[in-house]
Amino acid sequence: EAGVTQFPSHSVIEKGQTVTLRCDPISGHDNLYWYRRVMGKEIKFLLHFVKESKQDESGMPNNRFLAERTGGTYSTLKVQPAELEDSGVYFCASSQPRGNTGELFFGEGSRLTVL
Amino acid sequence: GEDVEQSLFLSVREGDSSVINCTYTDSSSTYLYWYKQEPGAGLQLLTYIFSNMDMKQDQRLTVLLNKKDKHLSLRIADTQTGDSAIYFCAERLGGYQKVTFGTGTKLQVIP
Repeated sequence: EAGVTQFPSHSVIEKGQTVTLRCDPISGHDNLYWYRRVMGKEIKFLLHFVKESKQDESGMPNNRFLAERTGGTYSTLKVQPAELEDSGVYFCASSQPRGNTGELFFGEGSRLTVL
Repeated sequence: GEDVEQSLFLSVREGDSSVINCTYTDSSSTYLYWYKQEPGAGLQLLTYIFSNMDMKQDQRLTVLLNKKDKHLSLRIADTQTGDSAIYFCAERLGGYQKVTFGTGTKLQVIP
């Protein structure tokens, strides 16, 4: 069974440009999460989808960030326009519906460098 | 509010025990987790403990939970070089799937 896959693994862009990160969760996982880790800091929650609906987007930094999950399958996270402080590793995770231990299955992350 | 804190770095000699500590602030946590991240990889669940437990043992791993002090620890017995990784403490709030992570503790095992 395929795990959570993320693309691209590394993206280098200039300030003001746009980047779109993609996440394919494990098949059948309704819950999909985006997290971000800035170097040396905690893994910070960004948002949570249940199927195609945004359950919690309280961690989204500002309106330059847009997450979508059309059809409840893969998700995209767009940053437009990118700023220097957006640099970091963006992790996607998925989990099964409620009633279990809530284990998150993570992708390898997309490293974003904004110059 | 949710806040999970860990020390950033721990160095131990191969064969010794490692103890990684974590404090959290939300008393309504239902599950507490330890995730491991090896270089270039995503996080993987190492072990978890339910909030009504004090201790959980799984082979070389022992998790201790002190709910009164909101303190969680992970003990790795007979630490091996393959245990070198970043270990993240995380909590899951009651009745909700959101998981809050700490800063991660980088464990370095010296041969």
